[in-house]
Amino acid sequence: ETGVTQSPTHLIKTRGQQVTLRCSSQSGHNTVSWYQQALGQGPQFIFQYYREEENGRGNFPPRFSGLQFPNYSSELNVNALELDDSALYLCASSIRQGGNTEAFFGQGTRLTVV
Amino acid sequence: GENVEQHPSTLSVQEGDSAVIKCTYSDSASNYFPWYKQELGKGPQLIIDIRSNVGEKKDQRIAVTLNKTAKHFSLHITETQPEDSAVYFCAASAYGNNRLAFGKGNQVVVIP
Repeated sequence: ETGVTQSPTHLIKTRGQQVTLRCSSQSGHNTVSWYQQALGQGPQFIFQYYREEENGRGNFPPRFSGLQFPNYSSELNVNALELDDSALYLCASSIRQGGNTEAFFGQGTRLTVV
Repeated sequence: GENVEQHPSTLSVQEGDSAVIKCTYSDSASNYFPWYKQELGKGPQLIIDIRSNVGEKKDQRIAVTLNKTAKHFSLHITETQPEDSAVYFCAASAYGNNRLAFGKGNQVVVIP
């Protein structure tokens, strides 16, 4: 177990709706990154949060947004859902301390858009 | 941005044999290279990583090698066991940003 927990584990939404996914990071970790993993593909970086601010973003549109809270937990929000948003959404927590450190993933949230 | 390629896509090995997965990366600024194992229905699990200041790292049956000049790194699993069957991902990250660029993954099947 990594200590990174995500909720919910599964979710079904209708095209056009909005969704919020949640992540609790490992104790002591101050950085949360979100990834989208389509079926049969590697995870794709969405964005990263450090000290409650977005700290880097991948090639995803603005309808993907996030938050990080003082306790370092995080949310991923997706507006105007599209069918192609169906994927496994992963969060990874790490410690930012001057260099790359190990990132530990949660079990993911499986989002299905119909 | 960083582009990580991973080969082969599927690898079948007999139990007890070795498995090798190779990855290449494009960004010379990348200096951190983790490997993840993902089992069905689970998130990726970090199994080993290597930084650019070393050429090889070993942890029991798992080893990783890095060739910075050629921009490739490899995962070696020796004495494979059925529980090694999973999808393995390589990744790369540039200094300090902890943002990982992943390969597409390799399905490793260990045949008992």
